[in-house]
Amino acid sequence: GAGVSQSPRYKVAKRGQDVALRCDPISGHVSLFWYQQALGQGPEFLTYFQNEAQLDKSGLPSDRFFAERPEGSVSTLKIQRTQQEDSAVYLCASSLERTSGTFSETQYFGPGTRLLVL
Amino acid sequence: AQSVTQLGSHVSVSEGALVLLRCNYSSSVPPYLFWYVQYPNQGLQLLLKYTTGATLVKGINGFEAEFKKSETSFHLTKPSAHMSDAAEYFCAVTPRDGYNKLIFGAGTRLAVHP
Repeated sequence: GAGVSQSPRYKVAKRGQDVALRCDPISGHVSLFWYQQALGQGPEFLTYFQNEAQLDKSGLPSDRFFAERPEGSVSTLKIQRTQQEDSAVYLCASSLERTSGTFSETQYFGPGTRLLVL
Repeated sequence: AQSVTQLGSHVSVSEGALVLLRCNYSSSVPPYLFWYVQYPNQGLQLLLKYTTGATLVKGINGFEAEFKKSETSFHLTKPSAHMSDAAEYFCAVTPRDGYNKLIFGAGTRLAVHP
């Protein structure tokens, strides 16, 4: 079956522009995560959705970052007034819902969107 | 707060040699543990994970890892490196309660030379 897809794969933005990054999770996956991966670093958590509910946005670096998943499937990460420090790869991952007491479900990652802010 | 330390940002081995990538975690309660691999311009692919049971875990592509609670470690090994193993490897943890937010190490880039 199809995996997690993300679009666009590459995005070049001028400083101050708004950008929108899209994630299509695996069909039926309840949980959706966004991570930010700076050059030479490991991914860092941004936000988490369970269906359409955003249960954790503690990793969003500023109020310029906004994520939504209105119908519990496709998610969009929006960055307003982009800055050079926003340049990174943005990874989306999805997984089945974790049931308390069971093992952690595997997260399946998309290929990422590489954002370059000039 | 949980954290993950990967010793050695770059590791270079000869083809056919043992691969050893080190990972230590910091957590008061042993978390779930993962190793992911990332090839250039691709997303992360799960190599293996430890959740419960046997502490030696086998994964894809001949990799395995051993959870050692006393050492808070989860080192990744492969007996014989192939050229195709050249990639970035990430160790990650997630707490046993709550949802499974992954906390990653900084990564180790593995180079395999002939």
